[in-house]
Amino acid sequence: AQRVTQPEKLLSVFKGAPVELKCNYSYSGSPELFWYVQYSRQRLQLLLRHISRESIKGFTADLNKGETSFHLKKPFAQEEDSAMYYCALSGTGFQKLVFGTGTRLLVSP
Amino acid sequence: DAGVIQSPRHEVTEMGQEVTLRCKPISGHNSLFWYRQTMMRGLELLIYFNNNVPIDDSGMPEDRFSAKMPNASFSTLKIQPSEPRDSAVYFCASSLLLPAGVKEQYFGPGTRLTVT
Repeated sequence: AQRVTQPEKLLSVFKGAPVELKCNYSYSGSPELFWYVQYSRQRLQLLLRHISRESIKGFTADLNKGETSFHLKKPFAQEEDSAMYYCALSGTGFQKLVFGTGTRLLVSP
Repeated sequence: DAGVIQSPRHEVTEMGQEVTLRCKPISGHNSLFWYRQTMMRGLELLIYFNNNVPIDDSGMPEDRFSAKMPNASFSTLKIQPSEPRDSAVYFCASSLLLPAGVKEQYFGPGTRLTVT
């Protein structure tokens, strides 16, 4: 079975502080991992995917198969980063995404 | 393209009434997904379609929920009869499935349903 765990419902930091949103997954095969973001009053949208190995808006995420984790990181948080972040997993060859319960990031000035 | 379109954006109804949510996917996309978002459970997949055919409806909570996709440009999610615990935001998403398996899903703005 596929499962995604985001242990923190809320993460509150000050502007300029480092941010790490945790994501752990459970899947017996080779997973594809994603981070989606939902800004206030906006649609859920893809932030990044592990196969792209890119940095979007200063965020990066590395797939650690040994720890079954895909944590999202940013060295210096900005107020505009405040949003709901969802980690999602898809099994190889499947199209269905399994989402975590989400973490709300609040960046204060 | 206007993206995925959902209607209505807000729906308030009384317990026992029938509710129909509508979705228009992005033109050319061949897969469509219905999700429910709540504070307690986050984002849950209810059902998804490939080429208008339901592939996985294991997330549909009970028989009161049904979904159809009569053509490539339209889908409905119906709740009959509705109950207060159905109150949530319902999202529709679409994507393009290729042989290599493209997974990015494009989400609609959601329908906020309140059942009193």
